[in-house]
Amino acid sequence: EAGVVQSPRYKIIEKKQPVAFWCNPISGHNTLYWYRQNLGQGPELLIRYENEEAVDDSQLPKDRFSAERLKGVDSTLKIQPAELGDSAVYLCASSFGQSSYNEQFFGPGTRLTVL
Amino acid sequence: AQSVSQHNHHVILSEAASLELGCNYSYGGTVNLFWYVQYPGQHLQLLLKYFSGDPLVKGIKGFEAEFIKSKFSFNLRKPSVQWSDTAEYFCAVNPYSSASKIIFGSGTRLSIRP
Repeated sequence: EAGVVQSPRYKIIEKKQPVAFWCNPISGHNTLYWYRQNLGQGPELLIRYENEEAVDDSQLPKDRFSAERLKGVDSTLKIQPAELGDSAVYLCASSFGQSSYNEQFFGPGTRLTVL
Repeated sequence: AQSVSQHNHHVILSEAASLELGCNYSYGGTVNLFWYVQYPGQHLQLLLKYFSGDPLVKGIKGFEAEFIKSKFSFNLRKPSVQWSDTAEYFCAVNPYSSASKIIFGSGTRLSIRP
């Protein structure tokens, strides 16, 4: 069974440029999560989707970040414009159901460097 | 605010040494508890979890963790570490009231000397 797929794995951009990350969850997983992991820290939830609906986006900086999950499968996270402080690893995870009893499976992440 | 504290940022041990990684959380209600591991070059994966019942839970690769409710702790242990245990370990908490939201600690990097 394929795991959570993310692309790109690495991205280097200059500040004020836009950037987008893509995630393909495990087949059949209806819950999808985007996390940000700053250097030396644990992952922090940005947004959680239940199918195509964003059910928790309270930690998403909405002035520059946006996300979508059309058709309830793949998801894209966008930053526009990027700032120096956005440098981090962006992780996507998925689970079968939104209960914490359902294990979250993580992708390899996208490491973003903003210069 | 809800938080998870991992006291040790970097632990260095020799093979066969015993391991205990500390984890404390600040939340007064009922919680689910997790330990995740990230091996070098690999993605984050679940090591073990506690939902209810026996406070001593066993996970993969010989790891175990003990939930002590009175101390708000969920320490990870292994009696004899191997070089392959070199990884970063994250403690995480899910408050019952927060659906599947998981709050992670800052992680402990474990280095094992062969």
